[in-house]
Amino acid sequence: GQQVMQIPQYQHVQEGEDFTTYCNSSTTLSNIQWYKQRPGGHPVFLIQLVKSGEVKKQKRLTFQFGEAKKNSSLHITATQTTDVGTYFCAEDNQAGTALIFGKGTTLSVSS
Amino acid sequence: NAGVTQTPKFQVLKTGQSMTLQCAQDMNHNSMYWYRQDPGMGLRLIYYSASEGTTDKGEVPNGYNVSRLNKREFSLRLESAAPSQTSVYFCASSGLAVNTDTQYFGPGTRLTVL
Repeated sequence: GQQVMQIPQYQHVQEGEDFTTYCNSSTTLSNIQWYKQRPGGHPVFLIQLVKSGEVKKQKRLTFQFGEAKKNSSLHITATQTTDVGTYFCAEDNQAGTALIFGKGTTLSVSS
Repeated sequence: NAGVTQTPKFQVLKTGQSMTLQCAQDMNHNSMYWYRQDPGMGLRLIYYSASEGTTDKGEVPNGYNVSRLNKREFSLRLESAAPSQTSVYFCASSGLAVNTDTQYFGPGTRLTVL
């Protein structure tokens, strides 16, 4: 069935270091979404990427969509303790009526 | 504007008991979803409703039923709870079903089945 592979599962960094999580799909995607879930919280939408090769930035966060629209990445520059949480990518199901989420990358940051 | 609300926030059940998780949204969204979240498993879709009056199975529907009561409300029922259903349950809504608009999540229900 349709799968979204996300790596790594866990990442620990020192504050100020960079962090990247990768998302790979078994199918060519129409779009991809990214969500963040703080510890004890609920997922919150970050961004949607639609175009091949698209790069979008939100302050220290950089999102990329692969040229073949089969992979995506989220890069955080100079992590802060406020970046702690689990980052999920999500793609459309085949019918385009719901999202399939990756298993997430949990980021911890020590100061 | 409360967004997506869920009740209860916490629940403990014994094996075999039944319960209904309630979800409501005040954003006039068409689509609503129920997910469960288990450690290391991410978010798995249980059921969704693309519009009022329709429901469809997701990835893990067994042991659950849903009702789209009206445009605002989407409930999830466990008829005979099992320990394997211990999880955090999230309800979400989105404006559109097609092209999967941004999803807005509720705060979750933490369910333990003993």
